[in-house]
Amino acid sequence: GENVEQHPSTLSVQEGDSAVIKCTYSDSASNYFPWYKQELGKRPQLIIDIRSNVGEKKDQRIAVTLNKTAKHFSLHITETQPEDSAVYFCAASLASGGSYIPTFGRGTSLIVHP
Amino acid sequence: GAVVSQHPSWVICKSGTSVKIECRSLDFQATTMFWYRQFPKQSLMLMATSNEGSKATYEQGVEKDKFLINHASLTLSTLTVTSAHPEDSSFYICRASGDQETQYFGPGTRLLVL
Repeated sequence: GENVEQHPSTLSVQEGDSAVIKCTYSDSASNYFPWYKQELGKRPQLIIDIRSNVGEKKDQRIAVTLNKTAKHFSLHITETQPEDSAVYFCAASLASGGSYIPTFGRGTSLIVHP
Repeated sequence: GAVVSQHPSWVICKSGTSVKIECRSLDFQATTMFWYRQFPKQSLMLMATSNEGSKATYEQGVEKDKFLINHASLTLSTLTVTSAHPEDSSFYICRASGDQETQYFGPGTRLLVL
């Protein structure tokens, strides 16, 4: 099955700095890579996703890159703000027929200091 | 956007009792429901997948007789933790899947077994 590794487990930055979270996956058939943000005690929220036919996607201050050959993908947050503090999970999956079962990384706790 | 609800959001019970958690998709038909368990500071671990009208498929290591899943309709799935023990204390989250690749998590149910 799929195996997703995520690093770092904890990331502490100053407000305004950039933050980068990296993930690797094992199954070359995976074609859909969502990223979730989870605040304490709340549901994970999809913040951005990327499909295997795209190398990069950007949405305001967040961007995701995908290297299919190396089987790794990364989340980039620029101009971080205290409200970005949360746990971020990457996931890899094979999306087919309108459904998918993601394999999640272990999560990265991002702390943005004001 | 689509909404998924869970009830209850919080439950405290005595060891040995059973607890039922409901997951509802409020404005779309969820053909597939996924149940996750999340221990503190850990990732989301898939417990089981259920398709409406079919028996659930459990992940390795998850006891199907202890975690009963029912998906009797396209808008409701239930997870019953039978004879709960303190080690079952966790955050249980459902995820509903409809016709689109975007998946929706429920808000989670925090279970504390005394």
